[in-house]
Formats: sequence, C-alpha cells, structure tokens
Amino acid sequence: EAQVTQNPRYLITVTGKKLTVTCSQNMNHEYMSWYRQDPGLGLRQIYYSMNVEVTDKGDVPEGYKVSRKEKRNFPLILESPSPNQTSLYFCASSSTSGGNFREQFFGPGTRLTVL
Amino acid sequence: ELKVEQNPLFLSMQEGKNYTIYCNYSTTSDRLYWYRQDPGKSLESLFVLLSNGAVKQEGRLMASLDTKARLSTLHITAAVHDLSATYFCAVDSGTYKYIFGTGTRLKVLA
Repeated sequence: EAQVTQNPRYLITVTGKKLTVTCSQNMNHEYMSWYRQDPGLGLRQIYYSMNVEVTDKGDVPEGYKVSRKEKRNFPLILESPSPNQTSLYFCASSSTSGGNFREQFFGPGTRLTVL
Repeated sequence: ELKVEQNPLFLSMQEGKNYTIYCNYSTTSDRLYWYRQDPGKSLESLFVLLSNGAVKQEGRLMASLDTKARLSTLHITAAVHDLSATYFCAVDSGTYKYIFGTGTRLKVLA
C-alpha cells in the first residue's frame, strides 16, 4: 500500500529536550515536506526537500532541522523544543513528474505537546 | 509574498443545497490544489488544477481555476452530510514552496 508514515503519532515532551519525528514514504517520491497545522492558521510549510541531500526552508523554519540522507526518509528534528512548537505536524511527499505532479500525499500527523 | 485567502472560513448548509468556496491567491501560479481534512485526520487530495480554465469534477464537488483572476472555486452540488469536513486550497509558488489557505470548515446539516 502506497503511504507516508510518521512516528510517533503523539508526543508530550518538555522544553529543551531534543526530539526527532520520523517520516517515511514508499512511493519513490522525490519531493518531501514538513508542515505544521495550528488553529486558524492552516498549514504552514517548515522545510522541504527536492531530493536526497537537497533541502530548503519553507515559511516557518526557525527551531527546526531536517535531513534527507535517503530518498524515502525525511526526519524532522527539534534540537531544543519550546512551547510555541506545540502543534500538529504533517509530513507529505509527491512526485515531481507525471500528470498530477506535485500532488502531495500526507502522513497521518504527529501531535506534539511541549511543556 | 504569496498569500492565499479562502472564504468563507465557516460554512453551515442544509443538505441538498449548493454552495461555493472561494480561494484567492496573490501572485502568479499555474498550479492549485484542493485537499479535504476530516476531523482528527490527515489531508486527502481532491483536485489538482494545472492550467488556466481547468475544471475537474468528482461526485458532488467541482473545482475550477482562473489564473488571470487568481481565483479558484470549489462548488458543492446538492450537499450531503458526508461532505462535512475542512477544505483547503494550496498554491504552488513555482519554487516547490506551498502556501495553504486557512481552510473552510463545512458542516452539512440534515
């Protein structure tokens, strides 16, 4: 089954404790992206990756890091989480070619609470 | 700076009625996407609109794109309860950056 998976699905942590949210896709997509969803703000893009070892900032990259060492994986790293990073996070992937190129497929989401 | 505005933000409608959700964006783009999100769930792709004048239909939903007016519409025909969800439009800035609208929360009343 074609899918994007994220782990963990729920996470409660404390300020300053480094964490990683993993994202993996099995569709051989070149493009992957991270978003955060907050009430009244829609989805905002954090980072995206065009392919292995190619990443770039989205609209709200502060406080986040990413890496793309393998095509299928795109982890999101919070080196020192703060309460304003409490949010619902989505990973997405898409092909960069084909009829519906750039149609994104989303993971199930990770609900993060930083105390 | 690319901005995407959706309206209305909230929509409560009776079953069987028609309505339209509007998505305006502030800069040139040939690619616009519509997604659906059920409460507590992830986003599901509905439509990909890739050129001016593009129109796509799936069931009771029809999406269109006017790139000259920088406007996309999502038209709902004869609404049913199952269409209750939040609908997002998203614009591809052309540099692989996506800007999403704030969403339209649709509630269809029996």
